[in-house]
Amino acid sequence: DAGVIQSPRHEVTEMGQEVTLRCKPISGHDYLFWYRQTMMRGLELLIYFNNNVPIDDSGMPEDRFSAKMPNASFSTLKIQPSEPRDSAVYFCASGSTLGPTNEKLFFGSGTQLSVL
Amino acid sequence: QKEVEQDPGPLSVPEGAIVSLNCTYSNSAFQYFMWYRQYSRKGPELLMYTYSSGNKEDGRFTAQVDKSSKYISLFIRDSQPSDSATYLCAMSRNTGTASKLTFGTGTRLQVTL
Repeated sequence: DAGVIQSPRHEVTEMGQEVTLRCKPISGHDYLFWYRQTMMRGLELLIYFNNNVPIDDSGMPEDRFSAKMPNASFSTLKIQPSEPRDSAVYFCASGSTLGPTNEKLFFGSGTQLSVL
Repeated sequence: QKEVEQDPGPLSVPEGAIVSLNCTYSNSAFQYFMWYRQYSRKGPELLMYTYSSGNKEDGRFTAQVDKSSKYISLFIRDSQPSDSATYLCAMSRNTGTASKLTFGTGTRLQVTL
């Protein structure tokens, strides 16, 4: 398996524009997480899904952020409208409740978002 | 005050040195403790996983948890240049994939030749 795949790797946009980040989890994993990483706040959980259903979105900063998981192999995180304070690295991670590594999250390489 | 505190570094050590990385936390409900390693421009990867107080060893790495002091450590013996990365501690109240992890901000480690 190629691991968790995120796109794009880098995104530069202007304030007010819509941004869509994409994630393909590892095949067979039933959990998917979206995290945001900044120097000041570290890694923060935004939302997670189990079997494509959003379970906890309490970390989503505000209504400008939305996430979907239409099927087991694809998820999006959308920011509309984007603001400079949204600049961060956004990570997608997947995990499985089955097998010996059920506590292990597998992270993608992240999307570096810059909002000017 | 953050739930998990971690010195950001950077920490620079010569090859072969013993490295000590630490985190303190304030929430006594945390039971499960992890260390993740993150290379530049990559996502974090799980390095060590421990439950409650005590030590766990895996090769050159030893994770130590002192719940009474709310203090966890990661020791790296015989450090190598390939150990140069950011090390993030993480902790949770429950085990399992669905457990919500609280991360430290990470300590950047540089192992020099």
